[in-house]
Amino acid sequence: SAVISQKPSRDICQRGTSLTIQCQVDSQVTMMFWYRQQPGQSLTLIATANQGSEATYESGFVIDKFPISRPNLTFSTLTVSNMSPEDSSIYLCSVQSGLITNNEQFFGPGTRLTVL
Amino acid sequence: QKEVEQNSGPLSVPEGAIASLNCTYSDRGSQSFFWYRQYSGKSPELIMFIYSNGDKEDGRFTAQLNKASQYVSLLIRDSQPSDSATYLCAVKGGGADGLTFGKGTHLIIQP
Repeated sequence: SAVISQKPSRDICQRGTSLTIQCQVDSQVTMMFWYRQQPGQSLTLIATANQGSEATYESGFVIDKFPISRPNLTFSTLTVSNMSPEDSSIYLCSVQSGLITNNEQFFGPGTRLTVL
Repeated sequence: QKEVEQNSGPLSVPEGAIASLNCTYSDRGSQSFFWYRQYSGKSPELIMFIYSNGDKEDGRFTAQLNKASQYVSLLIRDSQPSDSATYLCAVKGGGADGLTFGKGTHLIIQP
């Protein structure tokens, strides 16, 4: 499977600021996704990062709050904008090679964000 | 709204026994089903996936799928203390879809 890295691994931020999280894969992948895992909770899909076009957001998530870029097949960024303490979560990117329904998704190590 | 239900546990199993983890899902259009293991402070690690009715075995792990009952399970044979973790069930519709996760089952293997 692909090797996935995320930067930063963790950060502590002040409310009202923004943080951009990077996801880098060591090989080209078809799909990249961003998830959020709030404290003690399971994972929730934020959006699908589309290469060369706007991301596809899930219900409850909007582009103004979580702008996403995917300039090529190995890299994506997620920005958490105008942060509040409720944004304190682990943010994970995942990747998938291929478009068949049973293609596996693999997760990066995550970015642990604390908003004060 | 897609929903995936799991018993949150904790599920306590003696070492060497079989651990049985269950999951139900609401969307009949779901096509593939995944089991992830997550250790505390770590990201999810894929254990198995299944997309056809029946059983699929991989080492000590067996995934079972019953689409008519909208039910997925994971059996772990010869449970080891290192299997202690949270097990997340996830479902997917089409090939380009993201995953919908259950809340996870916390499994404890007692030495």
